[in-house]
Amino acid sequence: QSVLTQPPSASGTPGQRVTISCSGSSSNIGSNTVNWFQQLPGTAPKLLIYDYHQRPSGVPDRFSGSKSGTSASLAISGLQSEDEADYYCAAWDGSLNNYVFGTGTKVTVL
Amino acid sequence: EVQLVESGGGLVQPGGSLRLSCIASGFTFRSYWMSWVRQAPGKGLEWVTNVNQDGGERYYVDSVKGRFTISRDDAKNSLYLQMNSLRAEDTAVYYCVRGVGGAGAYWGQGTLVTVSP
Repeated sequence: QSVLTQPPSASGTPGQRVTISCSGSSSNIGSNTVNWFQQLPGTAPKLLIYDYHQRPSGVPDRFSGSKSGTSASLAISGLQSEDEADYYCAAWDGSLNNYVFGTGTKVTVL
Repeated sequence: EVQLVESGGGLVQPGGSLRLSCIASGFTFRSYWMSWVRQAPGKGLEWVTNVNQDGGERYYVDSVKGRFTISRDDAKNSLYLQMNSLRAEDTAVYYCVRGVGGAGAYWGQGTLVTVSP
């Protein structure tokens, strides 16, 4: 059972903005950095955001991350059809001594 | 180009053992924490275990403690996962991941482990 909670689904039309929340606690998001991963259908996950809001090279700037207290968020601006994927937040949990993933959010482009 | 290539997956009976391997290339393997992350069919991601650069620190999710062992061989740029006493709930695609919690996180393509009679 994951300790990071995400909404199971999110959707939008092309060009819209979609936001995904990730709720944790003081032992994970509240005290350690958050990564976001994108998993396109049938493929391995890929790093999308690290250290709450940093983008690796090659990731479009329409993807952005933020953190407030014990929650993090991923925003996708200017939604595109190729953004249809599963998105996972993740962080180290200092109480469990485990790396924990969020429950995952499936993004659908209508 | 960074590459992580997993192997060793397959069909095994409950109670059996498997050893997964991951060969790394395209980066300085000895400089990174390495992890195994699994994904059961149709389910989300679950971190399983990780090991630090010199092998002195290892952490495991509770469900595999005492059954799984992570190890690395920097001379061979290789990461391993020895899985014993396998259960049906261990059925998943197992991914080898470089530095899952950092800026350089990179995933292999995964190897499927199926535990079934």
